[in-house]
Amino acid sequence: QQPVQSPQAVILREGEDAVINCSSSKALYSVHWYRQKHGEAPVFLMILLKGGEQKGHDKISASFNEKKQQSSLYLTASQLSYSGTYFCGTAAYSGAGSYQLTFGKGTKLSVIP
Amino acid sequence: DTGVSQNPRHKITKRGQNVTFRCDPISEHNRLYWYRQTLGQGPEFLTYFQNEAQLEKSRLLSDRFSAERPKGSFSTLEIQRTEQGDSAMYLCASSLASFTTGLNTEAFFGQGTRLTVV
Repeated sequence: QQPVQSPQAVILREGEDAVINCSSSKALYSVHWYRQKHGEAPVFLMILLKGGEQKGHDKISASFNEKKQQSSLYLTASQLSYSGTYFCGTAAYSGAGSYQLTFGKGTKLSVIP
Repeated sequence: DTGVSQNPRHKITKRGQNVTFRCDPISEHNRLYWYRQTLGQGPEFLTYFQNEAQLEKSRLLSDRFSAERPKGSFSTLEIQRTEQGDSAMYLCASSLASFTTGLNTEAFFGQGTRLTVV
């Protein structure tokens, strides 16, 4: 089942902060965050494991609440280069020894000067 | 290694024709995924391989779609009797998964093959 992302779109001015949320109805093994710019392949940002781990990448960080099956991506002091569509990918057991990586519909982030 | 490579980058085909796409993953990666992405949507899971074994195929996937990874290296995705609804970007991704890391490693995406069915 596809994770649900919110908001669907957000517009920021340079320097502002944003939070993107991702939730799943399935027990998750890990959460993956990617950013995709128009016409390009998704680019990996970070993976979060079970245990409420919070990771950071420059001014982009994320958390994972295993109990709630939710993850949030935090973008602080946004830069023009942060513009793109952000996808969360959730890894969950799909039966018969198989794990599936399923992506949400994405959150389109636009940073303006 | 320059990353995940997909060929062709673009394909225009007439409805009813068969098409085949190729994906060359990062050489040491044992896991390979195929996704389909339409405008404004996230990558939709199609299938994935662990080495040469196809471990899962999306229930939404028509029987017209088939994928192979014969030697556990490159993979092909074939669509038979294409329909206009098959028009999309087809993405391949690979990762290195182990018993201990499972899915806790990043998946690298290729540039995709854009299919247009006319």
